[in-house]
Amino acid sequence: QKEVEQNSGPLSVPEGAIASLNCTYSDRVSQSFFWYRQYSGKSPELIMSIYSNGDKEDGRFTAQLNKASQYVSLLIRDSQPSDSATYLCAVNIKGAQKLVFGQGTRLTINP
Amino acid sequence: DADVTQTPRNRITKTGKRIMLECSQTKGHDRMYWYRQDPGLGLRLIYYSFDVKDINKGEISDGYSVSRQAQAKFSLSLESAIPNQTALYFCATGEGANTEAFFGQGTRLTVV
Repeated sequence: QKEVEQNSGPLSVPEGAIASLNCTYSDRVSQSFFWYRQYSGKSPELIMSIYSNGDKEDGRFTAQLNKASQYVSLLIRDSQPSDSATYLCAVNIKGAQKLVFGQGTRLTINP
Repeated sequence: DADVTQTPRNRITKTGKRIMLECSQTKGHDRMYWYRQDPGLGLRLIYYSFDVKDINKGEISDGYSVSRQAQAKFSLSLESAIPNQTALYFCATGEGANTEAFFGQGTRLTVV
């Protein structure tokens, strides 16, 4: 079982709709979770971090964490064409203290 | 200037050659990482380091070695490059446990 798993997509969403991205992880004691956005040929950039169960909102982005289900998600409201990118989920694996990434979900927002 | 700098940005090398990718940072972070990115496979961890004397293997360390010359410098070496090591390589830094990583601009390596 991979330590961090995402649906690789591609995910296509119409402009103005909500995009929902999902991630599961295997280490039950992981404590910190991150979403990165990566445009083609560019470096990943951090868009959200979450540490506690529940929702965390930042502008059009909402991260959701459910530690019991070992599940973290990212919602993008009012999707814009500029949101088209690959979204990477990352989890700090507590025991080894390493930051592990999922395979990424490629998102396309259609005008 | 970028906080995390990778050199070179692009490199083409021949099979069997030794190559070193360098990473330096001005963020003052203890942790440094090397990742490899291939299409559809996300970022895979090659090596990571907590400080100069603490280096750890990641999930795909075979064929690679690293050196942490100073807190600010972490280099990745391919002792004998092979074509399936063609990929985009990223260096990243982190402040401590449970913190995010900050990435360099990436090095695109092609082995022919």
